[in-house]
Amino acid sequence: EDQVTQSPEALRLQEGESSSLNCSYTVSGLRGLFWYRQDPGKGPEFLFTLYSAGEEKEKERLKATLTKKESFLHITAPKPEDSATYLCAVQEYSGYALNFGKGTSLLVTP
Amino acid sequence: GAGVSQTPSNKVTEKGKYVELRCDPISGHTALYWYRQSLGQGPEFLIYFQGTGAADDSGLPNDRFFAVRPEGSVSTLKIQRTERGDSAVYLCASSYRDRGRFVGAGVNNEQFFGPGTRLTVL
Repeated sequence: EDQVTQSPEALRLQEGESSSLNCSYTVSGLRGLFWYRQDPGKGPEFLFTLYSAGEEKEKERLKATLTKKESFLHITAPKPEDSATYLCAVQEYSGYALNFGKGTSLLVTP
Repeated sequence: GAGVSQTPSNKVTEKGKYVELRCDPISGHTALYWYRQSLGQGPEFLIYFQGTGAADDSGLPNDRFFAVRPEGSVSTLKIQRTERGDSAVYLCASSYRDRGRFVGAGVNNEQFFGPGTRLTVL
């Protein structure tokens, strides 16, 4: 059975303090790994899709990487507006449903 | 362009009542998904439509839950005999997908989510 584990559960950073969020997964065949951002009271907002080990994608201060067992979301010089819950999800090769982790709650203080 | 919309944004009902939740996907998106999210958890898959048909309903928790998409656009999630444990945020997502086409790297596969409907069963 697919399993997605995100760590840490919560992270508090000072503005400008870079860090990484981890997403470990076990699937029988990975179609894609997805990162979403979710603000309180809103639906998840799509950030990245990664399809194969070694792939990297960047968007502003965020960079996502993928290995055969885990993905990292690197946040460089974060700002308070980056505060949100970051969700990781995997999609198995045989289907289209997303299997989400519980998320990492990120707080960036000025 | 408009994103995924969901109505109502909030629904409060009493145990045992019937509720309907509506989802309007992004125009042109052929695939539609329902998820539900409990507090402190990630979204949990319920059902997936490709066009008008339910391609995967393996996430529906029991036969009180049912969803339709009669014209391949708007979808309605129906919950009969609601229970307090059904309280959650119900999320809808849509994506573009060609029927029968291999989906791999570089092909649009992203699911775009609506704002959700918060269901509270008293």
